[in-house]
Amino acid sequence: DAGVTQSPTHLIKTRGQQVTLRCSPKSGHDTVSWYQQALGQGPQFIFQYYEEEERQRGNFPDRFSGHQFPNYSSELNVNALLLGDSALYLCASSWRAYEQYFGPGTRLTVT
Amino acid sequence: SQQGEEDPQALSIQEGENATMNCSYKTSINNLQWYRQNSGRGLVHLILIRSNEREKHSGRLRVTLDTSKKSSSLLITASRAADTASYFCALYQTGANNLFFGTGTRLTVIP
Repeated sequence: DAGVTQSPTHLIKTRGQQVTLRCSPKSGHDTVSWYQQALGQGPQFIFQYYEEEERQRGNFPDRFSGHQFPNYSSELNVNALLLGDSALYLCASSWRAYEQYFGPGTRLTVT
Repeated sequence: SQQGEEDPQALSIQEGENATMNCSYKTSINNLQWYRQNSGRGLVHLILIRSNEREKHSGRLRVTLDTSKKSSSLLITASRAADTASYFCALYQTGANNLFFGTGTRLTVIP
């Protein structure tokens, strides 16, 4: 049984560009949450998707948007990238958000 | 603050010794979870303790929760070099549907 997978593993972008990160949840999970983890910090909640809708959102600007597909996979989009968006982006899947299983993350570097 | 706060920030011990990490928080919780992260990669779920539980064991891990003091501790017994990682407590609040992470404890186990 495959766990949570994320792609790509690493990504380098330039300020002002847009980026899309992808996540496939663990089999049987219907909820996907996204977190941003800056270097030396704990993960910070971005938003959560359930039944293809954004159910909850953390304190992140509208430049951060997402989508969930009928197969429960999800995308995180970030527009107008800033240097401060450089971080590890973690996707977590769960059944009803209770116990979350994390993917390996995507390391985004903005130059 | 909705986040947990781990203490100490860093811990260095010899292989075979026990390691204790603490987490304090300020809000009411539904449950508290502990995660491990190796080298800035994905988070591994270690243990979940519900607000009505006081102690839980999993292998070499022992977690306690004192809701009156709003604190939890993670004890790793007979530590191994492979336990070297960052450890995070994460709070799950009723109705929040997401996790609030602290800044973590960096554990180094010296062979």
